[in-house]
Amino acid sequence: GAVVSQHPSRVICKSGTSVKIECRSLDFQATTMFWYRQFPKQSLMLMATSNEGSKATYEQGVEKDKFLINHASLTLSTLTVTSAHPEDSSFYICSVEGAGGGEQFFGPGTRLTVL
Amino acid sequence: AQRVTQPEKLLSVFKGAPVELKCNYSYSGSPELFWYVQYSRQRLQLLLRHISRESIKGFTADLNKGETSFHLKKPFAQEEDSAMYYCAVRGGATNKLIFGTGTLLAVQP
Repeated sequence: GAVVSQHPSRVICKSGTSVKIECRSLDFQATTMFWYRQFPKQSLMLMATSNEGSKATYEQGVEKDKFLINHASLTLSTLTVTSAHPEDSSFYICSVEGAGGGEQFFGPGTRLTVL
Repeated sequence: AQRVTQPEKLLSVFKGAPVELKCNYSYSGSPELFWYVQYSRQRLQLLLRHISRESIKGFTADLNKGETSFHLKKPFAQEEDSAMYYCAVRGGATNKLIFGTGTLLAVQP
């Protein structure tokens, strides 16, 4: 299966700052990447779907201007949390999927803590 | 709307006991059903999918369209099975995975 990495694994920032999280597919052409967030003891909630070279599709209730997603290549997608607030503190997880669908491969996640 | 329900947040069993993790879904059409597992401090990984109809690590799951269920079963639980288990459904044009709330399986020695 695909190897997916995320960087950083953990980040602490002050309220009002922006944080960028990278998701890399190390050995897999990721046509589609997904971004999820997971609150403690809760399930993964899909935030957005991004296809390489096109704009991301956001789920209902997710602010696209706050969570900027860029999927510039088949191996890299970034999620930028702009003007972060304490309520944005969460575990952010990306996954990748190849052309034609199939299995999704998940990254290890990034723990964001906003003070 | 697509929905996945896992009624049990926690399931605690003794080693060697049978395990059944429940999953019900609501979806119009022909969905794909999955079970994902997350061991402590590890990433989410696919355990099995209904279309492959295989047994992984002794686990099986049968899709029951009449009951809209996809329960995960294992006849004899092992301590290393302790993990968080998520049922998920996918279908339609978007290929989105919709996850259930997860069940924490704790296998006691």
